[in-house]
Amino acid sequence: DAGVIQSPRHEVTEMGQEVTLRCKPISGHNSLFWYRQTMMRGLELLIYFNNNVPIDDSGMPEDRFSAKMPNASFSTLKIQPSEPRDSAVYFCASSPLTGAGDTQYFGPGTRLTVL
Amino acid sequence: QKEVEQDPGPLSVPEGAIVSLNCTYSNSAFQYFMWYRQYSRKGPELLMYTYSSGNKEDGRFTAQVDKSSKYISLFIRDSQPSDSATYLCAMNYGGSQGNLIFGKGTKLSVKP
Repeated sequence: DAGVIQSPRHEVTEMGQEVTLRCKPISGHNSLFWYRQTMMRGLELLIYFNNNVPIDDSGMPEDRFSAKMPNASFSTLKIQPSEPRDSAVYFCASSPLTGAGDTQYFGPGTRLTVL
Repeated sequence: QKEVEQDPGPLSVPEGAIVSLNCTYSNSAFQYFMWYRQYSRKGPELLMYTYSSGNKEDGRFTAQVDKSSKYISLFIRDSQPSDSATYLCAMNYGGSQGNLIFGKGTKLSVKP
């Protein structure tokens, strides 16, 4: 099993540019999560999907952030326009079930730097 | 007051020491308690999971939950350099995984 796959692993961009982060969850998993991790705020949930449907996007910081899951094997997180305060590590995680105690499997993350 | 508080450390111990990592929380509705381990430049991975109060042991690791004090702990016995990582507590009050709240993590270094 390849685990959760994220791309790119590193992204450096300039303020105002569009950034697209990609995630391939573990095959057969029904839930997908996007997190952001910073030193100041720790690990924060941005949005999660169950069976490709967005369930809760209350963690998305602003309208500049959007996420899609067109099918069970692919999701994107887009930032447009990007700002320096968006610099963080963005993680995608997937889970086989939707229960509150079920394990989430994290990808390696995308380290985003916005200059 | 944040929902989950965790001392960021860093915590440095000699190899073989017993390590105690802790989190406090404010929401008495939390029922599921987890510890994730995160190596440098990697994603978090689930280490231990406990439902409600009590202890759970897995090899050198023991997780404790004291709901009356809103306090959870992770103990590592005979610590090894390979245990050097950041440890994040996480908790959920049920309903869905979208309610999972993480602590900021404690960075642990085990010196050989």
